[in-house]
Amino acid sequence: TQLLEQSPQFLSIQEGENLTVYCNSSSVFSSLQWYRQEPGEGPVLLVTVVTGGEVKKLKRLTFQFGDARKDSSLHITAAQPGDTGLYLCAGAVWEKLTFGTGTRLTIIP
Amino acid sequence: ETGVTQTPRHLVMGMTNKKSLKCEQHLGHNAMYWYKQSAKKPLELMFVYSLEERVENNSVPSRFSPECPNSSHLFLHLHTLQPEDSALYLCASSQVFGTGAWGQPQHFGDGTRLSIL
Repeated sequence: TQLLEQSPQFLSIQEGENLTVYCNSSSVFSSLQWYRQEPGEGPVLLVTVVTGGEVKKLKRLTFQFGDARKDSSLHITAAQPGDTGLYLCAGAVWEKLTFGTGTRLTIIP
Repeated sequence: ETGVTQTPRHLVMGMTNKKSLKCEQHLGHNAMYWYKQSAKKPLELMFVYSLEERVENNSVPSRFSPECPNSSHLFLHLHTLQPEDSALYLCASSQVFGTGAWGQPQHFGDGTRLSIL
């Protein structure tokens, strides 16, 4: 069974600050996805990373897949209140996705 | 209407009741999923249907009974639930399932918040 540990579990920071969220596992994944879930809604896909060492940028969000494809990070620059939500990573082994434990992010205006 | 729609959004039921959750996707996808989201636990996959055939049952108790009459609709029939079954139940769809090494992106509905009295 693949386990994905996310850290920190909770993070509360001021608007304008930078932050990094981590997603770690001892398993190798063929790809890794990041989702954001806002209160009262389902998770929404942000990005998929496939190649070890890959970096993808989505406006102020930067996603990196570890070289060994066992871990990933999400860096947010100049956080905005709209970034508030539950961030979930999900690792793929063949067609199956395993979701991480989640990071609940709150951006204080 | 687009995306994945779940009804009802909220459901309160007693342990002896029978109810059903409904999911409908308007994306033309061939795979549909039920997930359970509890506090302090990762999202748990319950069932997967591919082309209306159940391909995954993740050791889910028989008090949960899925049904997929066609590729656009998915139901979760509930009976004799326990208090620990209180959770957010999410439906998702993806274009295909089982095509190899690439995890298909999931398109989620907004869930049904289930409370068992």
